[in-house]
Amino acid sequence: KNQVEQSPQSLIILEGKNCTLQCNYTVSPFSNLRWYKQDTGRGPVSLTIMTFSENTKSNGRYTATLDADTKQSSLHITASQLSDSASYICVVPNSRGYNKLIFGAGTRLAVHP
Amino acid sequence: DAGVIQSPRHEVTEMGQEVTLRCKPISGHDYLFWYRQTMMRGLELLIYFNNNVPIDDSGMPEDRFSAKMPNASFSTLKIQPSEPRDSAVYFCASSLGGGVHTGELFFGEGSRLTVL
Repeated sequence: KNQVEQSPQSLIILEGKNCTLQCNYTVSPFSNLRWYKQDTGRGPVSLTIMTFSENTKSNGRYTATLDADTKQSSLHITASQLSDSASYICVVPNSRGYNKLIFGAGTRLAVHP
Repeated sequence: DAGVIQSPRHEVTEMGQEVTLRCKPISGHDYLFWYRQTMMRGLELLIYFNNNVPIDDSGMPEDRFSAKMPNASFSTLKIQPSEPRDSAVYFCASSLGGGVHTGELFFGEGSRLTVL
């Protein structure tokens, strides 16, 4: 069964600290994985996409990694800011190639001053 | 670009009433998706359109839900009659062709529906 699982479910950190969010998937064959950020009361916004051949990609203070062998991805946030408080959702396209996406349940990150 | 525009942002209604949610996708995008988000189930795909044609409505909960896309710039999601369990945030998203296969959707701000 195609699944995307994220951990932790929620996380509280102090401003300025780093954190890492995890995403495990069982979708096969795999094509890509995307991380979205969803601020409270807003729609999800894409942060980055990881394709099969990519291991690491940075977008400012966000760094995503992908290990296609273990089917794991992580999102590392460096020097967290209050504005990083949001839900982070991992998304993988359905392996059957339909225009459907499998969404993880998300990690709720709270950055405290 | 203005992004995906949804209305209303908030809707509170009583059980049994009809609810209509509206969406204007990003100009030029040829795919439009309706999602529902709840704490328990996360984001669920309800239906999607390609070039205004419904392609897959297998996620629509039941016959009380219907969606239309009369033209490239407008779509509606209707619930009739509404029930308390329909309370959720409904998102509309659009994408451009191959963007769908790479998973990049552009979401609206959502319509928060509360059915009393």
